[in-house]
Amino acid sequence: SQQGEEDPQALSIQEGENATMNCSYKTSINNLQWYRQNSGRGLVHLILIRSNEREKHSGRLRVTLDTSKKSSSLLITASRAADTASYFCATDARNQGGKLIFGQGTELSVKP
Amino acid sequence: GAVVSQHPSWVICKSGTSVKIECRSLDFQATTMFWYRQFPKQSLMLMATSNEGSKATYEQGVEKDKFLINHASLTLSTLTVTSAHPEDSSFYICSASRDRDGQFFGPGTRLTVL
Repeated sequence: SQQGEEDPQALSIQEGENATMNCSYKTSINNLQWYRQNSGRGLVHLILIRSNEREKHSGRLRVTLDTSKKSSSLLITASRAADTASYFCATDARNQGGKLIFGQGTELSVKP
Repeated sequence: GAVVSQHPSWVICKSGTSVKIECRSLDFQATTMFWYRQFPKQSLMLMATSNEGSKATYEQGVEKDKFLINHASLTLSTLTVTSAHPEDSSFYICSASRDRDGQFFGPGTRLTVL
């Protein structure tokens, strides 16, 4: 399959709780990126983590990368109803000319 | 900076007709543009990669004669869905890249084929 895997496929939490999404991939990468997509809309780039980085923060987002396990996680702290969206990881694999391969996505629902 | 637009944002057409979707990088020159397709409740699937002035490279399973890609300049790529059928109804998203600093995504085009 072209795609990596994400879990969970769907996640429902209450406002204020933390949300963790995981992504696994298959090949060596240059970097891994996380995107957000509201229903029927375009992608919003959240964060990029390079293959030589292990953790990165941006506001309420925390991304980790474990290249030995070929996995990454996205943590959203203190979630808000406005965080409700689908979240995708995407890998920029080595020697692939910059192509991005997207994971299957996690549909996050944050209830007020 | 790094804004990518798509036109139209949505289109409805009859089965058998052809539809052209434009992708423009508004404030930078894109050496490479990518086209993705997304079916409802699914992820983005890469269809093809296009470099300015050369033929597009299609992913396995994507018909090059059905999805014509023209990357005529460093700011414009077009995707033409030829002889569209209802199963081609989808959300088509382009992205543009300059050098290796990542891809910038357009807002997408929703195609509905009746």
